[in-house]
Amino acid sequence: TQLLEQSPQFLSIQEGENLTVYCNSSSVFSSLQWYRQEPGEGPVLLVTVVTGGEVKKLKRLTFQFGDARKDSSLHITAAQPGDTGLYLCAGASGTYKYIFGTGTRLKVLA
Amino acid sequence: KAGVTQTPRYLIKTRGQQVTLSCSPISGHRSVSWYQQTPGQGLQFLFEYFSETQRNKGNFPGRFSGRQFSNSRSEMNVSTLELGDSALYLCASSSQIGTDTQYFGPGTRLTVL
Repeated sequence: TQLLEQSPQFLSIQEGENLTVYCNSSSVFSSLQWYRQEPGEGPVLLVTVVTGGEVKKLKRLTFQFGDARKDSSLHITAAQPGDTGLYLCAGASGTYKYIFGTGTRLKVLA
Repeated sequence: KAGVTQTPRYLIKTRGQQVTLSCSPISGHRSVSWYQQTPGQGLQFLFEYFSETQRNKGNFPGRFSGRQFSNSRSEMNVSTLELGDSALYLCASSSQIGTDTQYFGPGTRLTVL
């Protein structure tokens, strides 16, 4: 069974702090996506990484795909209250479309 | 371009009843996937439809079924509802089958009493 474990589960930080969220698995994925979900809404795609070792930047967000394509990280620089939400990683699986991670709930305090 | 729409947004049912949820994908998208999201289990894949055919299926009981129409709109049905079926049901559309970029709708919040 493919599993994606995210850590930490919960994170509460002050505005301006930096943070890193991890997404780990024992399985190899052909690609990995990161989403942010706000209450009452569906997940919104932030980025897709497909190559081992790939690093992508989206303003203050930096995404990295592990060399072995089993893990990924999301780093947020100078977090803002607007970054608050549930962050989900999802690994592409041929059988089950996407396997979603357990989620990291981030709260950024002003 | 309009996004994925799901109806209804909220639904309250009692145990034993059945429910049908609807999803309209982004115009031109032919693949529709359904997911169940609960606090305990997270986001779990139910099934995927492409060109009116179920192409992938997750590990859910047969009470969960779906279909897709020729205009790519999809419906999901849950029969004999159980308390544990209370969840946010999300629909996602993508332009092609397979692990293409998928766009989620806002979900239908189902509460089973």
